[in-house]
Amino acid sequence: DADVTQTPRNRITKTGKRIMLECSQTKGHDRMYWYRQDPGLGLRLIYYSFDVKDINKGEISDGYSVSRQAQAKFSLSLESAIPNQTALYFCATSGLTGEAFFGQGTRLTVV
Amino acid sequence: QKEVEQDPGPLSVPEGAIVSLNCTYSNSAFQYFMWYRQYSRKGPELLMYTYSSGNKEDGRFTAQVDKSSKYISLFIRDSQPSDSATYLCAMRGGSYIPTFGRGTSLIVHP
Repeated sequence: DADVTQTPRNRITKTGKRIMLECSQTKGHDRMYWYRQDPGLGLRLIYYSFDVKDINKGEISDGYSVSRQAQAKFSLSLESAIPNQTALYFCATSGLTGEAFFGQGTRLTVV
Repeated sequence: QKEVEQDPGPLSVPEGAIVSLNCTYSNSAFQYFMWYRQYSRKGPELLMYTYSSGNKEDGRFTAQVDKSSKYISLFIRDSQPSDSATYLCAMRGGSYIPTFGRGTSLIVHP
């Protein structure tokens, strides 16, 4: 089983719909992250959480929200999806050394 | 200017070649340096992790950090078609949040 699991792996949704991407990890790490990846732009940080009670905005948080339900679970929501949120989304975790471990990604298409 | 600069490529080499991938950075607080490999439609996977300046070798891969020049490199010896992927550099200081380069696309042709 993967250390970091994202669901769904692929999703097509309509403009204006609410959608939630889920992430769970079995590495026992406190730190969790959500990134989006776009061609030519690399990985951009959306939100991060250093523990269950700690939530922080990244460089591109507008239009997104997150929930840290437990140490192992961190979900990302798009309250009202728009086409320019079409991207590949990655959840990641890290321990004290800062090495990030990624999930397999969610390919989201907003039409 | 981005904190971490990485040429997107693509870099195309013949099988067996030595590959050199590089990143430059501007933040002198960075102390931990990482290289990730990402296959198409997959998540990045950690290849190498180094602290401060110096070299680290793991099989065909060597990571090199020159903090005085703010320059890091990943060398791949005897490159194979299976090495074809996007390689991302990442680095961090005391905040534990890694900053990523945009990635370099590598193509190793038989």
